[in-house]
Formats: sequence, structure tokens, C-alpha cells
Amino acid sequence: GQNIDQPTEMTATEGAIVQINCTYQTSGFNGLFWYQQHAGEAPTFLSYNVLDGLEEKGRFSSFLSRSKGYSYLLLKELQMKDSASYLCAAYNFNKFYFGSGTKLNVKP
Amino acid sequence: DARVTQTPRHKVTEMGQEVTMRCQPILGHNTVFWYRQTMMQGLELLAYFRNRAPLDDSGMPKDRFSAEMPDATLATLKIQPSEPRDSAVYFCASGMDDRVDGYTFGSGTRLTVV
Repeated sequence: GQNIDQPTEMTATEGAIVQINCTYQTSGFNGLFWYQQHAGEAPTFLSYNVLDGLEEKGRFSSFLSRSKGYSYLLLKELQMKDSASYLCAAYNFNKFYFGSGTKLNVKP
Repeated sequence: DARVTQTPRHKVTEMGQEVTMRCQPILGHNTVFWYRQTMMQGLELLAYFRNRAPLDDSGMPKDRFSAEMPDATLATLKIQPSEPRDSAVYFCASGMDDRVDGYTFGSGTRLTVV
């Protein structure tokens, strides 16, 4: 079976740093993806990790530990436009298994 | 920008009616996914196709749902008969082979069954 867990909701302040955690248990694993979804819109690709370690992309970074079944998305210098849901997805042979998403509220 | 086009954007229908949702993948993409998103379940994979062939539809209720790709430019998801529990946003996504960072989602069809 597939089990992807992430917090339901988080709140952070503009300009701050926030870390969104994701744990996964899947039968088969090829990589871990993060998507951003604004309310009423389609998910958009942010990052993915195949190997252990940190991948950095501007203000966003993603980390993976395969042995621990754990990933996190780090958002730096938060902006109001970062208010959205962040979806963690485990990838296995052409299939994505999504968590329920973490709704991030960025406050002034 | 190339985009995945889904129609209709919104659909309200009565229980028991047939619903057809359409997806036009990005030109050249050979992999198409159908997902359903609800508040309770999040994003669930319903079916996916590669080179128009269905590779997996295990996430789809077989008795009422069907997915097809009549040609490379059109994917359809049909519900017959529809039920209130089918109310959700249905997303189509397309990509090229295993270029997993290149998968693009459409804007979705918001279905309400009353």
C-alpha cells in the first residue's frame, strides 16, 4: 500500500523560513516530488529528489532521506504569494502517490 | 506556454446522468494521467495512458467510470451513471515518457453531482 503523511496546515510570517515535512511508506519508490497548488488552480511542479540529500532551487529547497522515508520542503524569504497548498508525492514506476497537502498561510 | 486543456471547467449535473470530461494533452506528450481531488482524499490517481494505451486504471471504479484516448490529442473520462460522491475536481496531466519533472497538469474540471 501507499501512505504519504504531511501536516494539514501551517502558518508562517512573511520573510521567514518554513519547513514542510513529509513521510512516506510505499511499495516501491523512485523519487519524491513536491508540487504547489494555489486555491482553485492546478498543481505545479516545484522539485524532485531521487537521491538522498538537498536540492536547492532559488528560495525553495527539498531534502530526501530514503532510509528514513522522509522528505522536507524548505521555503526561504517567504512571500505572500507563497500562500498555497504544498503536495508531497512519492513516485513509483510512472505513478504519483500524493499526500493530502499542507496548506501554508503566510501572514504579513 | 504549452498547456493541458480540460473541458468543461465546471459541470453541474443530476444524479444518474452521464458526464464526459475531456483533456487535450500538450502536443508531443505521450503520457496522460487522470486524477481526482477531494478535500477528504486529496489527489487520487484514476488512470494513466502511454502512447494511447491504458497502462493502469486500478484506481478507477470500473462499474461507472471509463477512460479512453481516441487519438493522441484527446483523452476522455466518462462517468455513467454519476453519483453525488463523484463530486470532485478532476485533473488531467500529461508528460513525455519518464520525464517526470515535465509533467503538466490541466486546470481541472470541477464536477458537482446533485
